[in-house]
Amino acid sequence: QKEVEQNSGPLSVPEGAIASLNCTYSDRGSQSFFWYRQYSGKSPELIMSIYSNGDKEDGRFTAQLNKASQYVSLLIRDSQPSDSATYLCAVIWTGNQFYFGTGTSLTVIP
Amino acid sequence: ETGVTQTPRHLVMGMTNKKSLKCEQHLGHNAMYWYKQSAKKPLELMFVYNFKEQTENNSVPSRFSPECPNSSHLFLHLHTLQPEDSALYLCASSQPAPEAFFGQGTRLTVV
Repeated sequence: QKEVEQNSGPLSVPEGAIASLNCTYSDRGSQSFFWYRQYSGKSPELIMSIYSNGDKEDGRFTAQLNKASQYVSLLIRDSQPSDSATYLCAVIWTGNQFYFGTGTSLTVIP
Repeated sequence: ETGVTQTPRHLVMGMTNKKSLKCEQHLGHNAMYWYKQSAKKPLELMFVYNFKEQTENNSVPSRFSPECPNSSHLFLHLHTLQPEDSALYLCASSQPAPEAFFGQGTRLTVV
């Protein structure tokens, strides 16, 4: 059974703090990893993709990948109330089949 | 304008009705997907089409019938649904780049 696991939260951080979101996956052969943001009542929006071990930074967002530990994380620096949403981790097992975790609910408190 | 457009945005249907969901992508992608999103459950992959050919059917009940007439259009035909089929149905597209982009979804309620 291939799985993508996330802590459902809710995770609460004060405005300006760093939010850390974590994801583990079961298939060691996975090659592509994504973070999506989903606001309540809206569809998922791609915010980061990462394919190789290490860190990838894009503005206030940093994705971290450790394939040996089967672990991918998302750091949000200087968190803003507008970052309050559910963050979905997605993994491609083979070909182009995307599988998603249940998501982590993040609340940024002003 | 979003690159992936879904219609209708909201749909209420009875268990004996037949309806269809439509998805259109303007991104030049080769792959299209249907996902189901229910409360407190992960996004469930239902169907995958690559170059109009169905390459994945994740044990979806036959009351859901997909159709992909070309690489830009995807339909989900619905008939004799159950109340537990009420959910947000999301269309996405990707390829050749691996990133997938979603439409706004159809909120389906089966009464």
